[in-house]
Amino acid sequence: QQPVQSPQAVILREGEDAVINCSSSKALYSVHWYRQKHGEAPVFLMILLKGGEQKGHEKISASFNEKKQQSSLYLTASQLSYSGTYFCGTFVYSGGGADGLTFGKGTHLIIQP
Amino acid sequence: GAGVSQSPSNKVTEKGKDVELRCDPISGHTALYWYRQSLGQGLEFLIYFQGNSAPDKSGLPSDRFSAERTGGSVSTLTIQRTQQEDSAVYLCASSLGGTGPYNEQFFGPGTRLTVL
Repeated sequence: QQPVQSPQAVILREGEDAVINCSSSKALYSVHWYRQKHGEAPVFLMILLKGGEQKGHEKISASFNEKKQQSSLYLTASQLSYSGTYFCGTFVYSGGGADGLTFGKGTHLIIQP
Repeated sequence: GAGVSQSPSNKVTEKGKDVELRCDPISGHTALYWYRQSLGQGLEFLIYFQGNSAPDKSGLPSDRFSAERTGGSVSTLTIQRTQQEDSAVYLCASSLGGTGPYNEQFFGPGTRLTVL
């Protein structure tokens, strides 16, 4: 089941803050966040694991509510370089095997000077 | 060090022809993933390999799609009898260690497939 991201798009002025949300209908083991610039490969930002562990960028923060099966990515004091499409990917264990990451449709972020 | 590489970068083919897409993961990465990205869509998971075996083939959209990995390294995604709806960017990613929730995935630049 594909996670749902919101908003679909957001336009900010440089220096403003943004929150991108990701929610799933399934119990999650971890949430991954990636950013993709136009014509480029997605780039890893952060992993949030069940139990509270995080791996990722120092300048990016995120939360993971296991009970609500939701994650939010916080972009503060946005810079022009933050522009791109942000994808959340969810990881769900099924039985004895592991599923691959299931990505949302993405949130388009445009930062204007 | 070298990142994930994919070839060709662009492929234009005629409907009904077979195509092979290649992925060369980061050296030492045991997990390898294939995704498909259609215009305006997210990343659709196709298949992953742990070593040479593919424990999860559930994402392959039809039996025209197959993939293999040899020597725990290079992988090829084959699409037989291509259809216009197969047009998309095919992305490969690899990760260190086993697949699973802990490991960040490193993506290649993708192969843009256009089926006429």
